[in-house]
Amino acid sequence: NAGVMQNPRHLVRRRGQEARLRCSPMKGHSHVYWYRQLPEEGLKFMVYLQKENIIDESGMPKERFSAEFPKEGPSILRIQQVVRGDSAAYFCASSPVSPTSGGKYNEQFFGPGTRLTVL
Amino acid sequence: AQSVTQPDIHITVSEGASLELRCNYSYGATPYLFWYVQSPGQGLQLLLKYFSGDTLVQGIKGFEAEFKRSQSSFNLRKPSVHWSDAAEYFCAVARTNTGNQFYFGTGTSLTVIP
Repeated sequence: NAGVMQNPRHLVRRRGQEARLRCSPMKGHSHVYWYRQLPEEGLKFMVYLQKENIIDESGMPKERFSAEFPKEGPSILRIQQVVRGDSAAYFCASSPVSPTSGGKYNEQFFGPGTRLTVL
Repeated sequence: AQSVTQPDIHITVSEGASLELRCNYSYGATPYLFWYVQSPGQGLQLLLKYFSGDTLVQGIKGFEAEFKRSQSSFNLRKPSVHWSDAAEYFCAVARTNTGNQFYFGTGTSLTVIP
């Protein structure tokens, strides 16, 4: 049973280019979360998605960033016109149901992350 | 607003020594509390969690943590550290009303010396 898969593991982009980060959740998981980890900082929540729905995007920058989780295929985090400040590790996590469904905690499983470097 | 503070950026301990990593949180109600470990270049692995009930929780790899409401703390402990415990440790809190959004501390980097 494969864990959460993220690709690419490392991505280098020049300023102004687009970055596409992919996340394949664990089998049977329909909830996906994206986090960003800036250098020397903890993870910061960006967005929470279910299949074909954005549930909570309160942590997403208002411009240049978007996320989707289509009915088929991986979840995509898209960063348009990247800037040097976007350089970070981007982590995806998945869970089978909402973390607090059924009155108990349902664990989020984290992927290995994508390290984005903007030159 | 919710927040998590890990006051120790870096800790060095000798192998076999005891360990305590501090975590303080700010949240109006009883939160869900977690400790994760991250090895270099890897994702996060859940060590343990507090949801409700017994305030002393046991986790994997011999770790435990104690929830102290009066101190708004959730410190992680291990009685005898192994060299393989060297990693980055993150404390996190989730809101009990939604539980979906996690707030992470800035992490504590643990070095273990022989």
